[in-house]
Amino acid sequence: EAGVTQFPSHSVIEKGQTVTLRCDPISGHDNLYWYRRVMGKEIKFLLHFVKESKQDESGMPNNRFLAERTGGTYSTLKVQPAELEDSGVYFCASSQRVTNTEAFFGQGTRLTVV
Amino acid sequence: DQQVKQNSPSLSVQEGRISILNCDYTNSMFDYFLWYKKYPAEGPTFLISISSIKDKNEDGRFTVFLNKSAKHLSLHIVPSQPGDSAVYFCAASKMGAGSYQLTFGKGTKLSVIP
Repeated sequence: EAGVTQFPSHSVIEKGQTVTLRCDPISGHDNLYWYRRVMGKEIKFLLHFVKESKQDESGMPNNRFLAERTGGTYSTLKVQPAELEDSGVYFCASSQRVTNTEAFFGQGTRLTVV
Repeated sequence: DQQVKQNSPSLSVQEGRISILNCDYTNSMFDYFLWYKKYPAEGPTFLISISSIKDKNEDGRFTVFLNKSAKHLSLHIVPSQPGDSAVYFCAASKMGAGSYQLTFGKGTKLSVIP
């Protein structure tokens, strides 16, 4: 069974550009989460989808970030326009139930804004 | 205002000896605690957890201890093996295992020396 897949694994963009990160959860997992780890800091929660609905987006840093999950399958996280402080590793996780002990994480997308 | 703190960025232990990783938290509302293990270029993997109604949980070589009065938990690995070398994240949540939103520490890099 395929795990959580994130694409790209690494992205380098210039300040002011737009970047879209993609996450493919484990098949059948209704719950999808985005987390971010900024260099040297802790991993922080961004938001939670149940199928295509946003259940909690309290961790989204500002309106430059837009997450979507059309059709309740894969999810995208768009950053527009990107700022230097957006650099970090973005993790996606999915679970069948709403439970943190059964959430499987992807390998992450390392975003570097220069 | 870091709510989950891992004050040791790194730890080196001889193979076969005990590894003790520590974690402190400040939010008394946290009632469920987890440890994740992360290898380079991979996402965090759930390792072991403990509810606030317990003070110890054991799974094979891994044991987590919780001291609620001190707001402190620790992960013991006995015996340590070279394959245990990874970054270990402590995480906490409110409302038990059914909560999806995790608050992470910054991580401790464990190196097990053969």
